Amino acid sequence: KNQVEQSPQSLIILEGKNCTLQCNYTVSPFSNLRWYKQDTGRGPVSLTIMTFSENTKSNGRYTATLDADTKQSSLHITASQLSDSASYICVVGSGTYKYIFGTGTRLKVLA
Amino acid sequence: DAGITQSPRHKVTETGTPVTLRCHQTENHRYMYWYRQDPGHGLRLIHYSYGVKDTDKGEVSDGYSVSRSKTEDFLLTLESATSSQTSVYFCAISESFGSGELFFGEGSRLTVL
Repeated sequence: KNQVEQSPQSLIILEGKNCTLQCNYTVSPFSNLRWYKQDTGRGPVSLTIMTFSENTKSNGRYTATLDADTKQSSLHITASQLSDSASYICVVGSGTYKYIFGTGTRLKVLA
Repeated sequence: DAGITQSPRHKVTETGTPVTLRCHQTENHRYMYWYRQDPGHGLRLIHYSYGVKDTDKGEVSDGYSVSRSKTEDFLLTLESATSSQTSVYFCAISESFGSGELFFGEGSRLTVL
């Protein structure tokens, strides 16, 4: 069964600290892996997209890694800000149109 | 931000009534999708469209129908709403199928009493 599992479910950190969110997937066939940020009451917004051959992708303070052998990805947030408080969703593209969504990690950044 | 507008943004209705949610895009993207988001679940695909009048079912399509008469509009209809269809509905668009960027609307929160 195609699955995307994210950990932790929720996380609280202090402003300025770094954090790493995890995504493990069992999806076949694999096309790409995406990380989205979803603010409360808003739609998801793309942070990064990685294909099979890419193992690192950065977007400002966000750095995503992909290990296609172990089927794991991580999203590292550097020097967190209050505006980073959101849910972060890992999405794996499978085949031509199918996207498998994780349930997300809810991040709270405290001042 | 991608030009995607969902309407209504909030709706409360009663069991058994029909409901139509509208997604309007100004990006001229070929592919449009309807997802629902529920606690404890990732976003789940209801229906998608790959062109005008071309639609197909997703993984949770029972109780839903869609129509696309123009490139820019994708309608989701609940013929007879049930409480299990209480959810947040997201429209998404993409230029290509599977590999391209997926842009989401702001969501429509539907409550069925």
